[in-house]
Formats: sequence, C-alpha cells, structure tokens
Amino acid sequence: DGGITQSPKYLFRKEGQNVTLSCEQNLNHDAMYWYRQDPGQGLRLIYYSQIVNDFQKGDIAEGYSVSREKKESFPLTVTSAQKNPTAFYLCASSSGDEKLFFGSGTQLSVL
Amino acid sequence: AQSVTQPDIHITVSEGASLELRCNYSYGATPYLFWYVQSPGQGLQLLLKYFSGDTLVQGIKGFEAEFKRSQSSFNLRKPSVHWSDAAEYFCAVGFGNEKLTFGTGTRLTIIP
Repeated sequence: DGGITQSPKYLFRKEGQNVTLSCEQNLNHDAMYWYRQDPGQGLRLIYYSQIVNDFQKGDIAEGYSVSREKKESFPLTVTSAQKNPTAFYLCASSSGDEKLFFGSGTQLSVL
Repeated sequence: AQSVTQPDIHITVSEGASLELRCNYSYGATPYLFWYVQSPGQGLQLLLKYFSGDTLVQGIKGFEAEFKRSQSSFNLRKPSVHWSDAAEYFCAVGFGNEKLTFGTGTRLTIIP
C-alpha cells in the first residue's frame, strides 16, 4: 500500500541536542512538506520541497533544517537553536494539486 | 496575505443530530478549498475539496461542504453525526502552486 511513514512515533530531546525526524513516502510525489502542530494553533509550515535537491523555508523555519537527497525521503532536523521544540510534527506529500497526504506524525518532547 | 478563520474552537453535538462547521477565508481570488479531519495522535485525512464548478461538494464519510463566494465561506455539514465523527476538523485554502494555509481547527465532541 502506498503512503507516508513517519518515525519515530515519540521522540525525546535533551538540552543542546539535535534530533532528526524521518519521513518516507512511496507515492512517487514530487512535493513534500513539514508542519508543526501546537494545540489551538493549527498547522504551521516549517519547510517544503517541490523537487529533489531543492527546498524552501516555510513560515517557522528558524531552528530547523531539512534535506531532500531522494524523492521519497525528506528528513527534518530539530536543532538546539529551536528553543521550544515540544510539538506534534506532521510530514505530508503532494502530487501537485494541493491535495496533501499526511503521515501519522511524531510527538517531540523535551526532557 | 491569505488567511483562514474557523470561529468555533470546540463544538458539542448529540449523536444523530446535524452538524455545521464554519470556515471563512480572505484571499485575492477564489482559492482551492479543503476540509481535513484529524483523529487524536494521527495525521490529517482529506474529507473533500473544491476547485471550481458545482458549489456543493460531496466528500467521504457522508460530509458535504458549500462554497459561498459572496460570504467567502466554505462550511462543512453532515445531516446526522455518528460517535466516530468525533475528531478535529481543519479548513485549508490554497491557490495554484502556493502552499496551503490551514485554519486553527474545530474540535468536535459527540454526546450519546
């Protein structure tokens, strides 16, 4: 079955530590996205990529980094510069008609 | 800049009753419009979308939405809710190749 796989489901970060969230899709979609979800604030776009080896900052990119070396993979690194990283992170992909397919998310918490 | 407003943070409905969730948008032109649903701890699933044509759109799980250009609204409706409809609902707008803008969501509680 085609879909988007995010791992891990739960992740804990220590002070000063970088952590990487995985996102893999087998839908053959060109575009991939990372959203952050906080209670009562809806979804906010962190980074997106329309094609391999290219990506753009979203509305809240500070403290995050991404790479897009393969079409099916779009990992997100939460760096130590992100001072408030506790949130639910959602990865999505699209074939270009704005219809997004979402993964099941990663809950990141700070120890 | 475009924006999406979902004025109701939380709605409680009795099982079997009708439902309407509100969504208003601000955009320079008629955008693409979407409703997504999210169960706790899960990703979002597309319920329905409007690109053009008939302003009444049918979606999955018995949901429908009506686009009203004069009111800049795209409200979601269901004639009779089921306990399994309890979730959070997000309206989203976009245009062409622009990234989507999401509303802040409406949490739906169903009471027996």
